[in-house]
Amino acid sequence: DIQMTQTTSSLSASLGDRVTISCRASQDISNYLNWYQQKPDGTVKLLIYYTSRLHSGVPSRFSGSGSGTDYSLTISNLEQEDIATYFCQQGNTLPTFGSGTKLEIK
Amino acid sequence: EVLLQQSGPELVKPGASVKIPCKASGYTFTDYNMDWVKQSHGKSLEWIGDINPNNGGTIYNQKFKGKATLTVDKSSSTAYMELRSLTSEDTAVYYCAIKYGNPYYAMDYWGQGTSVTVSS
Repeated sequence: DIQMTQTTSSLSASLGDRVTISCRASQDISNYLNWYQQKPDGTVKLLIYYTSRLHSGVPSRFSGSGSGTDYSLTISNLEQEDIATYFCQQGNTLPTFGSGTKLEIK
Repeated sequence: EVLLQQSGPELVKPGASVKIPCKASGYTFTDYNMDWVKQSHGKSLEWIGDINPNNGGTIYNQKFKGKATLTVDKSSSTAYMELRSLTSEDTAVYYCAIKYGNPYYAMDYWGQGTSVTVSS
């Protein structure tokens, strides 16, 4: 199995900040990297697929980048509604997820 | 609008089984595979497997073979996951989700989750 590592388990930032969340795969996943947002009520939504493609309806302040084994999700101009936990997931083989990064307001 | 409607919380005894439904609407049920994902104790996510509603074909995470069985009822556009021989390790929230036509194994839409608590 491909292991996905999110080394930052929690992150504190201020409204309006630019925030970057990182994810590393145990081997090259050829950009098959997806990002999800989980709200405190448990609701899960797809934000970005295939590294950088924005899912329908997702605000443009979310963006993704990366290649090979290293990927990141960036939220520009942080808003209150962005408070959530963010998971990466590789789709190069049978899916595996990162451990999540919980984003809080400073 | 794509909706995946899951059932309410379940409290089950150790050793028992539970069958969790996921009712789909807003799209053609047989067009997209249904995935199931486990989240233990608000922590990370584990992919359990997926099912092709058209032919019933399944792929399982090796870890969940023998624990989970995925089925569908095309007449009601409902997918099911049955968990057997439950232990405390099966206490978790279980989500259904679909890959809505993308080839990147991205799960576009998710149910709201069903909480399963295994306790005597």
